[in-house]
Amino acid sequence: EVQLVESGGGLVQPGGSLRLSCEASGFSFSDYTMTWVRQAPGKGLELVSGIGVSSDDTSYADSVKGRFTISRDNSINTLFLQMNSLRVDDTAVYYCAKSGYRTGWSYLDFWGQGSLVIVSS
Amino acid sequence: EIVMTQSPATLSVSPGDRATLSCRASQSVSSKLAWYQQKPGQAPRLLIYDASTRATGISARFSGSGSGTEFTLTINSLQSEDFAVYFCQHYNNWRTFGQGTKVEIK
Repeated sequence: EVQLVESGGGLVQPGGSLRLSCEASGFSFSDYTMTWVRQAPGKGLELVSGIGVSSDDTSYADSVKGRFTISRDNSINTLFLQMNSLRVDDTAVYYCAKSGYRTGWSYLDFWGQGSLVIVSS
Repeated sequence: EIVMTQSPATLSVSPGDRATLSCRASQSVSSKLAWYQQKPGQAPRLLIYDASTRATGISARFSGSGSGTEFTLTINSLQSEDFAVYFCQHYNNWRTFGQGTKVEIK
């Protein structure tokens, strides 16, 4: 059974930093592109960042480029999102999701339960 | 960036009826289109990918169609568990989501 478990969310002041983690199990983590998606309260879904199997292939939404860094450690089946210079409008539930394709950007066939990030003074 | 536009924003449907949801892309995405269902307090769940392929375990009441820029999600014989928000997403090059359609009980 595929499982994705996010952690690391919480309350942080504007300008602060947080690191989200997503521990994966039930599939060959190193073989799949992974993605972070966020959802602000009462809003729709926004694709934040994706990372390919090699970690050299990363992509970011314009809204987080230069502030967020996605990474992965295939030895411990874990995806990360380092979030710096956080802003109030980064407040959202952050989901980790597995790609349906082994390579390239694709649909998202499994999602974690989400980790809430609140940016507020 | 490809913009995905869903309509209507809210769809009021009686249980047992059919719901038809639309998703339009600002430029062709071929058949690289997925549909997700999201219930309150839950993560989205994949329903359809490649425009018309049902994901594992998804009821045959859900069907997807379309290609290029126009796509449709049809839900036949709506059940109580189907009242939720539905999002489309393209994955032609990068990926973007539509803003969602809420299917509510009429």
